[in-house]
Amino acid sequence: GENVEQHPSTLSVQEGDSAVIKCTYSDSASNYFPWYKQELGKRPQLIIDIRSNVGEKKDQRIAVTLNKTAKHFSLHITETQPEDSAVYFCAARDNYGQNFVFGPGTRLSVLP
Amino acid sequence: DAGITQSPRHKVTETGTPVTLRCHQTENHRYMYWYRQDPGHGLRLIHYSYGVKDTDKGEVSDGYSVSRSKTEDFLLTLESATSSQTSVYFCAISGQGREQYFGPGTRLTVT
Repeated sequence: GENVEQHPSTLSVQEGDSAVIKCTYSDSASNYFPWYKQELGKRPQLIIDIRSNVGEKKDQRIAVTLNKTAKHFSLHITETQPEDSAVYFCAARDNYGQNFVFGPGTRLSVLP
Repeated sequence: DAGITQSPRHKVTETGTPVTLRCHQTENHRYMYWYRQDPGHGLRLIHYSYGVKDTDKGEVSDGYSVSRSKTEDFLLTLESATSSQTSVYFCAISGQGREQYFGPGTRLTVT
């Protein structure tokens, strides 16, 4: 089955700097890759996603890139703000089309 | 937030007792999921459903059962709760080929 790895497990950046979180997946048939942000005590919230027919997608300060050949995708956050501090999860939807496998998460801390 | 509710939101129970968690959606989505979230393990799939009375096991299904008698409701049952089942449980929903959205979660403590 699908396996998703995520790095780094923790990341600290200064406010205003950029943050990058990387994920790799194992199943070349996976075709949808969402990113979730989870604040302490709250539910995971979908922040951006990308499908396998697209190489990059951007929404204001966040962007996601996908390299299908290498089977990895990354989340980029620019001009980080303290409210970006949270745990971020990547996921891949498996080749049966409806199950999602999650990475272990990255705890991002944005220092003022 | 998508129309997903979970009940109860918090529960403390004793080892060996049965526990049922409820997930209710108002989106009429076909797919529903139960995950557990533990420190260091991220989100792990327990069971999922792809339609009324259609369910299947996930990665960590031992000790759990599910039922879905209506499109809008997906129940997770711990037949005999153990301390290892202390966790935060999230329900999620998804339409065919669509995004997945999470409910607010249930914090379960088994003493």
